[in-house]
Amino acid sequence: QVQLVQSGAEVKKPGASVKVSCKASGYTFIDYYIHWVRQAPGQGLEWMGWIHLNSGGTNYAQKFQGRVTMTRDTSISTAYMELTRLRSDDTALYFCARQNTFDIWGQGTMVTVSS
Amino acid sequence: QSVLTQPPSASGTPGQRVTISCSGSSSNIGSNTVNWYQQLPGTAPKLLIYGNNRPSGVPDRFSGSRSGTSASLAISGLQSEDDADYYCAAWDDSLHGVVFGGGTKVTVL
Repeated sequence: QVQLVQSGAEVKKPGASVKVSCKASGYTFIDYYIHWVRQAPGQGLEWMGWIHLNSGGTNYAQKFQGRVTMTRDTSISTAYMELTRLRSDDTALYFCARQNTFDIWGQGTMVTVSS
Repeated sequence: QSVLTQPPSASGTPGQRVTISCSGSSSNIGSNTVNWYQQLPGTAPKLLIYGNNRPSGVPDRFSGSRSGTSASLAISGLQSEDDADYYCAAWDDSLHGVVFGGGTKVTVL
């Protein structure tokens, strides 16, 4: 079936970087966009940006410009989101979601930033 | 605070109709499709409504509407499994990105 499967939980120290993966299956990978959305504990959803899986083109939310990089490896149908210079307020559940409707979501990857 | 404004909570008894509002501006709801998501505790959000459409498998108890710079999600015949958080979202032409509402917690009494 159509699904997105994300990598496992991460614990990082402030200032470090994290790279989360999102592997797609059940559909033609390059025909869609992948968006990244995060949710801090007990908070709402926050959009981070998207990557066009065919061209590799990206669009990042202004808040994350300079700290986020979204890439993909079409040979293994996997998208990546790397966030650098981590701070404690980056502690959140990070989701990948397909297309502009967010019709399919990954299960989420918990990233904890703590000294 | 979120670009789109939702009430933090709503409630109803089984069988009742509950409506959740989502207020925005001309750069988002006023000119782009509004989508709605349901998030059950401890799970990823699920697409509930996109524009005026429901994905396959979503009960017709859920419906969406838009008027000007506001949108609404209606849940008719409320059921216990509808106890969840609900989020609206839309593309924003000024911010060049997706904006979300702060979420509404629906409690089935």
